[in-house]
Amino acid sequence: AQSVTQPDIHITVSEGASLELRCNYSYGATPYLFWYVQSPGQGLQLLLKYFSGDTLVQGIKGFEAEFKRSQSSFNLRKPSVHWSDAAEYFCAVGARGGSQGNLIFGKGTKLSVKP
Amino acid sequence: NAGVTQTPKFRVLKTGQSMTLLCAQDMNHEYMYWYRQDPGMGLRLIHYSVGEGTTAKGEVPDGYNVSRLKKQNFLLGLESAAPSQTSVYFCASSRHLTGNTIYFGEGSWLTVV
Repeated sequence: AQSVTQPDIHITVSEGASLELRCNYSYGATPYLFWYVQSPGQGLQLLLKYFSGDTLVQGIKGFEAEFKRSQSSFNLRKPSVHWSDAAEYFCAVGARGGSQGNLIFGKGTKLSVKP
Repeated sequence: NAGVTQTPKFRVLKTGQSMTLLCAQDMNHEYMYWYRQDPGMGLRLIHYSVGEGTTAKGEVPDGYNVSRLKKQNFLLGLESAAPSQTSVYFCASSRHLTGNTIYFGEGSWLTVV
């Protein structure tokens, strides 16, 4: 069964600093991979997704993520964090051709941004 | 461009009461989902539907029922609410079963006292 681990529950970075949020997955083959962001009191918004091809994926709001098959990772990065990036971030795995059709979400990483 | 709309946004229930959460999507998506979100647990799938008239159990289905009588609507019912069902509930939809972007509603905050 697939699973997703986000090792960091809470991260604080200074505005303008770079950011990397970690995501490791467990799956027998190459899954579909997603990063979602959730602002307080809001639903989840898709930042980016990986299906196949180029392992470096560009998303909205200046985010990117790199799929590393050898490490079973899909880490999210941003070169310069803005105060508006403070939110909770969820990594998710989807099975290719799976019968259930649902995404498995990590438990989330809360990002705080210091001025 | 409404996307996925959930009603109500907030509700307080007494233990044993029943209620229904309504989800509506205007994107003509085949697949719809109900998740619950609890602190430190991420999102967990309750039930989902792969088309009008069909439903299936997800990871945490106990205590909930669902119906998909119309393609655009997916209802989540609590027959006898329990404090353990205090949570934030998210409805979502997607065009295809796997690999497609899932679009989320803004959530429904439910408290059972």
